[in-house]
Amino acid sequence: DAGVTQSPTHLIKTRGQQVTLRCSPKSGHDTVSWYQQALGQGPQFIFQYYEEEERQRGNFPDRFSGHQFPNYSSELNVNALLLGDSALYLCASTRGGSDTQYFGPGTRLTVL
Amino acid sequence: GENVEQHPSTLSVQEGDSAVIKCTYSDSASNYFPWYKQELGKRPQLIIDIRSNVGEKKDQRIAVTLNKTAKHFSLHITETQPEDSAVYFCAASRGNTGFQKLVFGTGTRLL
Repeated sequence: DAGVTQSPTHLIKTRGQQVTLRCSPKSGHDTVSWYQQALGQGPQFIFQYYEEEERQRGNFPDRFSGHQFPNYSSELNVNALLLGDSALYLCASTRGGSDTQYFGPGTRLTVL
Repeated sequence: GENVEQHPSTLSVQEGDSAVIKCTYSDSASNYFPWYKQELGKRPQLIIDIRSNVGEKKDQRIAVTLNKTAKHFSLHITETQPEDSAVYFCAASRGNTGFQKLVFGTGTRLL
């Protein structure tokens, strides 16, 4: 049983560019949450998707958007990248009826 | 909004000793409190969690206690081993089952 997977592993972009990160949840999981983890900090909640809709959102600007597909996989899009967007982006999936969030390995985004 | 404070930021213990990490949360409606372990360069992994209707939970060498009145919860690791070295994060959430929006503490590096 594959765990949560994310792609790409690493990404380098320049200011102003746009980026798309991808996440595949664990088998049987239908809810996907995205978190941003700056170096030396705890993860911060960006948003959560269920049934292809954004269910909850954290304190992130509209430059951060997402999508969930019918197969429950998800994308995180960030527009107009800023230096401060450099971080590890983590995806977590949850099975219906459970609170346990299983994290993927993350995508390390560097903005130059 | 919810805020979670975590102490200490670094904790050094001798092998075999116990380690205690403490967290305080601000939102009295929080109902779910997981603890994650993150080794360098790896994903956070859930090690134990507790819901607001339970005061204490144990799993082998790991235990978590919750004091709802004081709004704090603690992680206890007994008989520490070298493989316990990692960064530990507490989190709190007030969501419905299956839709938790985790608010994390700043982490404790256990050496």
